[in-house]
Amino acid sequence: GENVEQHPSTLSVQEGDSAVIKCTYSDSASNYFPWYKQELGKRPQLIIDIRSNVGEKKDQRIAVTLNKTAKHFSLHITETQPEDSAVYFCAAYSNDYKLSFGAGTTVTVRA
Amino acid sequence: GAGVSQSPSNKVTEKGKDVELRCDPISGHTALYWYRQRLGQGLEFLIYFQGNSAPDKSGLPSDRFSAERTGESVSTLTIQRTQQEDSAVYLCASSLRTEQFFGPGTRLTVL
Repeated sequence: GENVEQHPSTLSVQEGDSAVIKCTYSDSASNYFPWYKQELGKRPQLIIDIRSNVGEKKDQRIAVTLNKTAKHFSLHITETQPEDSAVYFCAAYSNDYKLSFGAGTTVTVRA
Repeated sequence: GAGVSQSPSNKVTEKGKDVELRCDPISGHTALYWYRQRLGQGLEFLIYFQGNSAPDKSGLPSDRFSAERTGESVSTLTIQRTQQEDSAVYLCASSLRTEQFFGPGTRLTVL
């Protein structure tokens, strides 16, 4: 089955700096890669996603890149703000329905 | 519109008792997923329902775990003879295509 690895497990950044989270996946057939943000005690919510026919996607301060050859994808948050503090999960779709999640990255934005 | 709802929000039980967790998906969503999230960890896939097809039960950790769903409506996750290691947040998600929408989860504590 699909195996998704996520790094780093924790990330502390100064407000205004950028944060980068990296994930790798094992199943070359995976074709959809969402990122979820989970605030403390809350449910995971989709913040951005990318499909395998696209190399990069941006939404305001958030961008995701995908390298299918290397089987890795990354989340970039620019101009970080305190409200960006949360746990971020990457995921990969395999078998067209099953999401395999990374272990998560706890991001702390220092004011 | 209404999102995914789960009940109860919190459940405290004694070791050895059975518990039943409920998930109400978004109306019209054909797919429903159950995940387990232990404290500080990622999302562990448990089971997947798609319409009237046979469910994918490959993530259920033991035969003490079972789940049912009637058509495209409510699902229940049952844990029999609960153990302390079953303590976790159980999240339900539903989807129509690829994006999964999560419920608020049920926090299960086994004493």
